[in-house]
Amino acid sequence: RKEVEQDPGPFNVPEGATVAFNCTYSNSASQSFFWYRQDCRKEPKLLMSVYSSGNEDGRFTAQLNRASQYISLLIRDSKLSDSATYLCVVNGHNFNKFYFGSGTKLNVKP
Amino acid sequence: GAVVSQHPSRVICKSGTSVKIECRSLDFQATTMFWYRQFPKKSLMLMATSNEGSKATYEQGVEKDKFLINHASLTLSTLTVTSAHPEDSSFYICSALEGGREDTEAFFGQGTRLTVV
Repeated sequence: RKEVEQDPGPFNVPEGATVAFNCTYSNSASQSFFWYRQDCRKEPKLLMSVYSSGNEDGRFTAQLNRASQYISLLIRDSKLSDSATYLCVVNGHNFNKFYFGSGTKLNVKP
Repeated sequence: GAVVSQHPSRVICKSGTSVKIECRSLDFQATTMFWYRQFPKKSLMLMATSNEGSKATYEQGVEKDKFLINHASLTLSTLTVTSAHPEDSSFYICSALEGGREDTEAFFGQGTRLTVV
């Protein structure tokens, strides 16, 4: 079983739509969770960390469900510039390994 | 944010030669660095974890004699692809963790696109 699993998409949404991605992880002892964004042929960049209590940054909301072992990312009022691949990242119980999901591709259309 | 510099950004080499890729943390000490490989339209696959001053830990299926990793200082890790073959052509990315913080994010290098001809 993969460490981290994501729906690859693509998610094709109109501007202004709300879209949500989920990501499941296999190691119940995982301690840190992140969402990264990767634009085509570029390196991933941190979008936001995911805290147990959930966190919000502008149009982006991330949540963690430890019981079901998944994290989610909600994007409200989608912009064209949100088009990218969103990578769910989980670090292992010994904290010094980061595992990536396969990424979910988002296409925001005018 | 912190800066990780990866060099070269692009390299073309002949089959059978070796290629060295450098990953440097420019403004912080990276006790742990990771090497990833990414195929087109696929996610990053963790190849190995390197800790400063000790041997790298390789993921299952990654040949340690093929992909030599050295993390000799707190700011530099190198990946050497030995006796490269066309199937080694890929996008290689390094990332670094600052210090020993449990909740730290990983900072990524710009990636190296390797083409073996």
